[in-house]
Amino acid sequence: GAGVSQSPSNKVTEKGKDVELRCDPISGHTALYWYRQSLGQGLEFLIYFQGNSAPDKSGLPSDRFSAERTGGSVSTLTIQRTQQEDSAVYLCASSGQGRGYTFGSGTRLTVV
Amino acid sequence: GQQLNQSPQSMFIQEGEDVSMNCTSSSIFNTWLWYKQDPGEGPVLLIALYKAGELTSNGRLTAQFGITRKDSFLNISASIPSDVGIYFCAGFGGTSYGKLTFGQGTILTVHP
Repeated sequence: GAGVSQSPSNKVTEKGKDVELRCDPISGHTALYWYRQSLGQGLEFLIYFQGNSAPDKSGLPSDRFSAERTGGSVSTLTIQRTQQEDSAVYLCASSGQGRGYTFGSGTRLTVV
Repeated sequence: GQQLNQSPQSMFIQEGEDVSMNCTSSSIFNTWLWYKQDPGEGPVLLIALYKAGELTSNGRLTAQFGITRKDSFLNISASIPSDVGIYFCAGFGGTSYGKLTFGQGTILTVHP
């Protein structure tokens, strides 16, 4: 597609439930990133996929968080047993040359 | 890990005024980027800087890559109401190459 697409745009879930957030990067972009933005805060790095290399998972806050990227394209970020502190906007970005990213509009996750 | 210190945290200005914000890093960066985020959207790339000393303009925006490679500034001239938003600096460099490190953001409010 023309841009990075994320779904859903909003998700409200009950504490303890699992959620899956999806990202469709720009076609042909080899790098894909997940960031988290809490209310009024900057962007916190979560995970980075580059081509067929092993992902950089150094930003994942706990083992409840995981992500995969299938076929070098679509990525899914999964949060298990959600907690209230997981409430945030989850942003996905992709890059074709390792320079500037193109971001999606994000998924706003609310854990109640 | 690498950190970027962005200032000021917020600015309240009158329409027509010029604005300046900056970022400093504790380590050398190879690329500096400036993003703007509107409410409910992902950050959008404004300007990218790739060489120390580089000065780049994009309309009313001007940004510079500091000679020491540890800082960058963004100027907005003759501000208008649609400049309102959150501005983030970001950089690639050192051991974090491949994933961007973001500043905390500058919230800009423009009064008509």
